[in-house]
Amino acid sequence: SQQGEEDPQALSIQEGENATMNCSYKTSINNLQWYRQNSGRGLVHLILIRSNEREKHSGRLRVTLDTSKKSSSLLITASRAADTASYFCATDAYKLTFGTGTRLQVTL
Amino acid sequence: DTEVTQTPKHLVMGMTNKKSLKCEQHMGHRAMYWYKQKAKKPPELMFVYSYEKLSINESVPSRFSPECPNSSLLNLHLHALQPEDSALYLCASSQPAGQIKETQYFGPGTRLLVL
Repeated sequence: SQQGEEDPQALSIQEGENATMNCSYKTSINNLQWYRQNSGRGLVHLILIRSNEREKHSGRLRVTLDTSKKSSSLLITASRAADTASYFCATDAYKLTFGTGTRLQVTL
Repeated sequence: DTEVTQTPKHLVMGMTNKKSLKCEQHMGHRAMYWYKQKAKKPPELMFVYSYEKLSINESVPSRFSPECPNSSLLNLHLHALQPEDSALYLCASSQPAGQIKETQYFGPGTRLLVL
């Protein structure tokens, strides 16, 4: 399976803390994307990082990519209760393949 | 308009029913997708349409029949489903799905329950 693995599977933090989630994948990629999904709803695209990029920022999000290790990380700084959601990495081969996801819970 | 809409939001059907899920986008995207998502699992690709032609069928059972009437609409026709087909069905669209996969825009999904 080309499916990526994410860890941790679940993460619980307090508001204001940083959240880091990791993604490992198996095949060569052109880009890697991160998506967010609120419970039972559609996915929202967060950020896309291309294979020739090592780091990318968007607001409170920071994504890194290490193609030699076939891994990526998503850092959410100064988390808020509204960040509570599942986060998926997605890699591209002939199709977009989603990782197993990290369920983030941010408590007040 | 960066929205993908899906109807209905919820659907309950018996195993002998015929129903359809609908998806619409007006972003000028020429690639559209159907995904199936079970609880606490990632979305799994079912079908891809590129320029209104079916380009990928991920070995989906024939009781699921996709249709792309035009560049803005995508349907998923359901017939003789099984209880294990109960899931969240997500539609997405993007610029044409070539070798490099760009951002996909997802609809809110249809929650399907098969009794």
